[in-house]
Formats: sequence, C-alpha cells, structure tokens
Amino acid sequence: AQSVAQPEDQVNVAEGNPLTVKCTYSVSGNPYLFWYVQYPNRGLQFLLKYITGDNLVKGSYGFEAEFNKSQTSFHLKKPSALVSDSALYFCAVRDPPDPAGNKLTFGGGTRVLVKP
Amino acid sequence: DTGVSQDPRHKITKRGQNVTFRCDPISEHNRLYWYRQTLGQGPEFLTYFQNEAQLEKSRLLSDRFSAERPKGSFSTLEIQRTEQGDSAMYLCASSLQGLAGWSSTDTQYFGPGTRLTVL
Repeated sequence: AQSVAQPEDQVNVAEGNPLTVKCTYSVSGNPYLFWYVQYPNRGLQFLLKYITGDNLVKGSYGFEAEFNKSQTSFHLKKPSALVSDSALYFCAVRDPPDPAGNKLTFGGGTRVLVKP
Repeated sequence: DTGVSQDPRHKITKRGQNVTFRCDPISEHNRLYWYRQTLGQGPEFLTYFQNEAQLEKSRLLSDRFSAERPKGSFSTLEIQRTEQGDSAMYLCASSLQGLAGWSSTDTQYFGPGTRLTVL
C-alpha cells in the first residue's frame, strides 16, 4: 500500500529566507508525486508533480521539489519565502502499478507560517 | 472560471437527515474523484468515476454513502442518515485520463469543497 509522511506539523520561516517542506513516501513501484497547497476554507491548488525525468521539478509560484529515490523523499522548496506563502501544504503519491493506484494518498499536511 | 465547482459550499444539517452534494468537473475531464478531509488531516479518497462508471470505492464509503455520475459530467454524493462523524470537508477533483494508459496530463484539480456540519 502507498503512504506519505510529512514529519513536520508546522514550519516557521522569515520572509525572504529559504523554505523547505519535507515529504517521504512508500510505494511498491515508481511513484507519481504531487504537491498541493490549501488556503483557509479553500480547496487544494496544484503546485507541481514528478512523473519521470529530471529529479528537480519546477512548479507554480516559484516552488520546486527534488525527487530523491534512494531516500524516498520529495521535499518542496522555495528559495525566498513570501508572507503570502503561509498556508497548508500537502504531499501526495500515486502508485501507478497498483490496481488501486488511481487515487491520491495524502500526507497529514504541513502548516507553513512566513513571518514578515 | 472553468475550474471544478461544488455546491453548496456549506451545509449544516441535523443528525439523521439526508444531504446531497454536487460537483461539476472541468468540462473535458473524464475522471472525477471524491475525497473527505477532516480538520487537521489530509484528504482521504472516497471514490472515483471514469466517465459514468464508478470504478473504485474506499472502505470509508459506508452503505450510507452513494455517489453517481449519470451522464459522465456532473456528480452527486449523497449521505443518508447523517451522523456527527460525517462532519468534514468533502472535496471533488477531476482529471483527464488518456486512453493510452498513464498520461502526463493526469493531474487532479480540486474544487473548493463542501463543508458539512452535522449537529
């Protein structure tokens, strides 16, 4: 069965500093990995995904993520955080070879607070 | 706005009542998903449709829950005899699945959700 772990419930960072949100995964095959962001009382907005190819994936709003197969990680990064990046971030995985692999399995979420 | 829409955005009901939610996916998307998100948790998969066919249901989807997508366009999720434990945000997502298997366009795009409160 596929699973995702986000080890940090909350990440605090000063505006202008680098932001990293951690994610590790467990799947039986090669994973499809996703990051979503959720603002209060809103649905999830897609940020980026890794399917295959370059391990460094660039996405929306200046975010990027690095796929590391040996460490089974897919950490989200932003070189310079903005106050408006304060939100709830979710990592998700799909396990394509799995017959039930059409669904996304989400981590518990990491709240990011960017202070001015 | 051509994104996923959900109606209503908020629903307050009394325990034991039935409720129905609607989801309108992005127009060309052939897959539609329902997830449930409780406070402080990540979304959990409930069920999904390929066109009008319901292809997978989670164990979370008890017999009080039923979902339909009658014409392969919008979908409804009905909860019968609601319980306080059903209080959650119900999220709908859609994606375009290519006919040749796993397509790089198969990203799930989410609607704003319906927040259900059962008193």
